[in-house]
Amino acid sequence: LAKTTQPISMDSYEGQEVNITCSHNNIATNDYITWYQQFPSQGPRFIIQGYKTKVTNEVASLFIPADRKSSTLSLPRVSLSDTAVYYCLVGPLYGQNFVFGPGTRLSVLP
Amino acid sequence: DTEVTQTPKHLVMGMTNKKSLKCEQHMGHRAMYWYKQKAKKPPELMFVYSYEKLSINESVPSRFSPECPNSSLLNLHLHALQPEDSALYLCASSQEDTETYEQYFGPGTRLTVT
Repeated sequence: LAKTTQPISMDSYEGQEVNITCSHNNIATNDYITWYQQFPSQGPRFIIQGYKTKVTNEVASLFIPADRKSSTLSLPRVSLSDTAVYYCLVGPLYGQNFVFGPGTRLSVLP
Repeated sequence: DTEVTQTPKHLVMGMTNKKSLKCEQHMGHRAMYWYKQKAKKPPELMFVYSYEKLSINESVPSRFSPECPNSSLLNLHLHALQPEDSALYLCASSQEDTETYEQYFGPGTRLTVT
């Protein structure tokens, strides 16, 4: 399983766009990149998943360069309620062995 | 219904007690998971059940014993735990053979071992 590295923490202000980058230098050909969000005392929640280029949903965008050795989660116009820990995971599509990276603690300030 | 429920929410037990954690989902998912999460750390996978059979056991001590009575239920039986086992225990479920690497997590059981 590909190991991931992320910034430990980030601060932002309400209304700003936040970009969180995840490095995964040894990503395998059949690996996908998935991001989860976790609020205190709650289970993680799926945000977005992608394989290459760009994926967008109603919550976030995921940018993956051609070499796939990194990925960037983009949260548009964050609010206070986006304060959470964001985890990047890399693994095969049908894999069950989820390995969460260290996560990035995002604090959104008023 | 896209909810995974876990009971109890909180549990305090002594090192000689026997207790069980319960997890339930009604999404028709055929894979269910147990994770352990310590404070300010990422969740760590403990067990995976696929079609009611144990498919992954991440070298978890035998004082943790999982059980999957049917496709909707997952239990974690606890016996002779240590104080360092105090943590948030998360249950999750997922579809099998779908084009998404998505697990649905419950709110967790906060376990304190005294």
